[in-house]
Amino acid sequence: QLLLQESGPGLVKPSETLSLMCNVSDASISSTTYYWGWIRQTPGKGLEWLGTVNYSGTSYYTPSLKSRVSISVDPSQNQFSLRLRSVTAADTAVYYCARLTGDAAFDYWGQGALVTVSS
Amino acid sequence: DVQMTQSPSSLSVSIGDRVTITCRASQSISKYLNWYQQKPGRAPNLLVYGTFTLQSGVPSRFSGSGSGTDFTLTISSLQPDDLATYYCQQTFTTPYTFGQGTKLEIK
Repeated sequence: QLLLQESGPGLVKPSETLSLMCNVSDASISSTTYYWGWIRQTPGKGLEWLGTVNYSGTSYYTPSLKSRVSISVDPSQNQFSLRLRSVTAADTAVYYCARLTGDAAFDYWGQGALVTVSS
Repeated sequence: DVQMTQSPSSLSVSIGDRVTITCRASQSISKYLNWYQQKPGRAPNLLVYGTFTLQSGVPSRFSGSGSGTDFTLTISSLQPDDLATYYCQQTFTTPYTFGQGTKLEIK
C-alpha cells in the first residue's frame, strides 16, 4: 500500500523558510507515470495547490507563490520536498503531499502536516 | 485562474437521501474534473476523476457527470459514512483549483 508521509518543523518564524519533506513508501518516485505535489489547506482559503514535480525535476507552481516556492525530488531517497521562502502568518496551514496520476487526479495523500508561522 | 464554484456550501441530509452537489467552472475544463471527500482531521480522499470514473474502492452509490463548465456529484442513497465535506477540483490547467467545499450534515 503506497504511503506518503510529510515531515518537518511545525513552527516557523516569519520571514524564514518553511521546509517540508515527503517520504514515499511502496512506490518509486522515479516512475515516469506520476507527478508529485504539494497542496495546503486553511480555514480561510480552503484547498490550494502549490505545485508539482516529476522524477526528472520538471516542476509547475501556482503563480501566486511562484517567487517564493520550490519543489524538488530526490530519487535516491524516494522523497520530494517543499520550500517556501519569506513566510508570513498567511502561510500557516496544513500542508499535504500527494501523488498526481496520469489521469490528472491526486490519488494518494499524506496525512498532512500543520505548520504554524509565528514568532 | 479557473474559478470553481460549488453549491450548496452546506446541505442538511437524511440517511437514504439522494444527494446532488454541483460544481461550476469559470471556463470550459473539458472532462478534467475530480471529486474528493474529506472527513475532519483527515486528508482528502479521491472519489471520482475525469468527471465520470470512480476511483478504485469507492462505493457505486457515488457517481459523477457533466462536461465543459457544469459538473455534478451524486450520492444515490446517503449512508452514515458519507457525512463529510466534498470538494471539486479542476486539473485542466495550472494552477489546479478547488471548489470551496460542500459540507453534508445530518438533518
